[in-house]
Amino acid sequence: SQTIHQWPATLVQPVGSPLSLECTVEGTSNPNLYWYRQAAGRGLQLLFYSVGIGQISSEVPQNLSASRPQDRQFILSSKKLLLSDSGFYLCAWSGKGGTGGSNQPQHFGDGTRLSIL
Amino acid sequence: SQQGEEDPQALSIQEGENATMNCSYKTSINNLQWYRQNSGRGLVHLILIRSNEREKHSGRLRVTLDTSKKSSSLLITASRAADTASYFCATDPMDTGRRALTFGSGTRLQVQP
Repeated sequence: SQTIHQWPATLVQPVGSPLSLECTVEGTSNPNLYWYRQAAGRGLQLLFYSVGIGQISSEVPQNLSASRPQDRQFILSSKKLLLSDSGFYLCAWSGKGGTGGSNQPQHFGDGTRLSIL
Repeated sequence: SQQGEEDPQALSIQEGENATMNCSYKTSINNLQWYRQNSGRGLVHLILIRSNEREKHSGRLRVTLDTSKKSSSLLITASRAADTASYFCATDPMDTGRRALTFGSGTRLQVQP
């Protein structure tokens, strides 16, 4: 069966420090991969998605970046964190189905709660 | 602005009652999905309904889709305390070339035992 791992579960970082969040998927190949951010009590904001190795689509201009160095690995990074980067970060994967993936369910990790001090 | 918007934002009911949550969206869609999120956890997929479908069932869940009104509803029958969670709709808009869903802001459901 497929599983998705996301770590760390919680992270406290000072303003201006770098960030690296990692997400890996097991039990499937060539998935679509997604990074979301969720503010407290709010919906999900799509940050990045990837349909293949090295292919990254950015949804929101910001000081975050994403990379997909391997088929089932998706990394969210920042060189210098801002206070506004605080939030709950969720990684998800989906199969591609017949139309590229948006007609498929998404499967989420348990998230990383990031606090910037 | 958000493609999908849930209504109400919060709902509190007694165990055994039915819970109905609504989702409205702005542009034509290929499909609409409902997800559930327990506090502090990731989202869990519940149901996907395609634009040519009007109703789908899964256990105690019933989803309807009215593309003429650009709206969907999620009905949870005979609710249980364990149904307490936030519920999100997500839409797959047509003709964007974008391989990603757009999520609404959610309905927080509280089921009192």
